[in-house]
Amino acid sequence: DGGITQSPKYLFRKEGQNVTLSCEQNLNHDAMYWYRQDPGQGLRLIYYSQIVNDFQKGDIAEGYSVSREKKESFPLTVTSAQKNPTAFYLCASTSTIRTGGTEAFFGQGTRLTVV
Amino acid sequence: DQQVKQNSPSLSVQEGRISILNCDYTNSMFDYFLWYKKYPAEGPTFLISISSIKDKNEDGRFTVFLNKSAKHLSLHIVPSQPGDSAVYFCAASVASGNTPLVFGKGTRLSVIA
Repeated sequence: DGGITQSPKYLFRKEGQNVTLSCEQNLNHDAMYWYRQDPGQGLRLIYYSQIVNDFQKGDIAEGYSVSREKKESFPLTVTSAQKNPTAFYLCASTSTIRTGGTEAFFGQGTRLTVV
Repeated sequence: DQQVKQNSPSLSVQEGRISILNCDYTNSMFDYFLWYKKYPAEGPTFLISISSIKDKNEDGRFTVFLNKSAKHLSLHIVPSQPGDSAVYFCAASVASGNTPLVFGKGTRLSVIA
């Protein structure tokens, strides 16, 4: 089955530590995205990548880093510089459908908690 | 500056009645709009979309209406079912391919049996 896999589902991190969230897709999509969800805040864009070896900052990129070495993979590192890392993180990918719009497919999310 | 706004954080509807979720946008470049449904601790799932060349798109119990002059869209669910209880996100993009979706803050729908 094609889809997006995020791992782990739950992640605990001590303050001051970096942590990497995994995102893999087998949909052959070119573009991948990381969003963060906080209560009452909706989905906010952290980083996105439209092609391998290239990525752009989203609205809330500070304290995060990404890489896109393979089409299938777009890992997100939450660094110690991120002030409020506890959140639900969602990875997505898109293909361009015939009408020209972009329908995003999402993974199941990773709940990161700083302890 | 919020480009996509869902001004109602929550909505409660009786089972069998119509649910109407609203969304406003400010960026006139947006020309493709989507609705997503999200359960707690899960990723959003795509529900229905509409491009700016249309003013209505229907899929079973779900209909999305677009009023470009008012920069407003709405999702109608009829009849509402208890399984429809979830958070609904409105999203918008410029349909040039692979551009990031911009999401609203969501509306929590509760369908009461």
